[in-house]
Amino acid sequence: DARVTQTPRHKVTEMGQEVTMRCQPILGHNTVFWYRQTMMQGLELLAYFRNRAPLDDSGMPKDRFSAEMPDATLATLKIQPSEPRDSAVYFCASGLVIPTRGGNQPQHFGDGTRLSIL
Amino acid sequence: AQTVTQSQPEMSVQEAETVTLSCTYDTSESDYYLFWYKQPPSRQMILVIRQEAYKQQNATENRFSVNFQKAAKSFSLKISDSQLGDAAMYFCAYRSPGGTASKLTFGTGTRLQVTL
Repeated sequence: DARVTQTPRHKVTEMGQEVTMRCQPILGHNTVFWYRQTMMQGLELLAYFRNRAPLDDSGMPKDRFSAEMPDATLATLKIQPSEPRDSAVYFCASGLVIPTRGGNQPQHFGDGTRLSIL
Repeated sequence: AQTVTQSQPEMSVQEAETVTLSCTYDTSESDYYLFWYKQPPSRQMILVIRQEAYKQQNATENRFSVNFQKAAKSFSLKISDSQLGDAAMYFCAYRSPGGTASKLTFGTGTRLQVTL
């Protein structure tokens, strides 16, 4: 089965350090999403891309977070500088959205990166 | 903006019994998609079942079925013949139809315990 691959699986670092999380979407999928899961906020969308172009990053703190897709096989989410409140599980998901069909394809999630900022 | 509400933070069911998890949502759209995702302790997000709003027939996947009430904006998940492996967090999610609005809006989740 094709899977979304996220690295690293776990990351522990000190406040102020740069953190980079990587995602390899399923081959052929044209949309990539970044979600964050915390106990307090639940699952919330940070940003998403269609055909590598950013469509919506309104859920992302712009001053410290950045999301990019250097190519179709790699999406990155960076935090610089990191803060303790960024501690969460970060999920990448990919999907095949065909606008004329009404977007009825499900999203497939990676296993997440558990980030702890000390 | 759409919202999704799961009013049951925790539920418990005995093995082999049936349990229903509730989900309601708020939207002004007429065409949309609804999903149930399962998140076991391994924290994977696993798609359980999906429903297109334009379909009146309730979706079914093996032991999982939904009761979709469009007028009431309700989308409950029924798990029949519950198994220990069903223990997990269950998230209800809403998605607008295609174009740029294809992000998922999640509920807060229901933790399901399965007892012997």
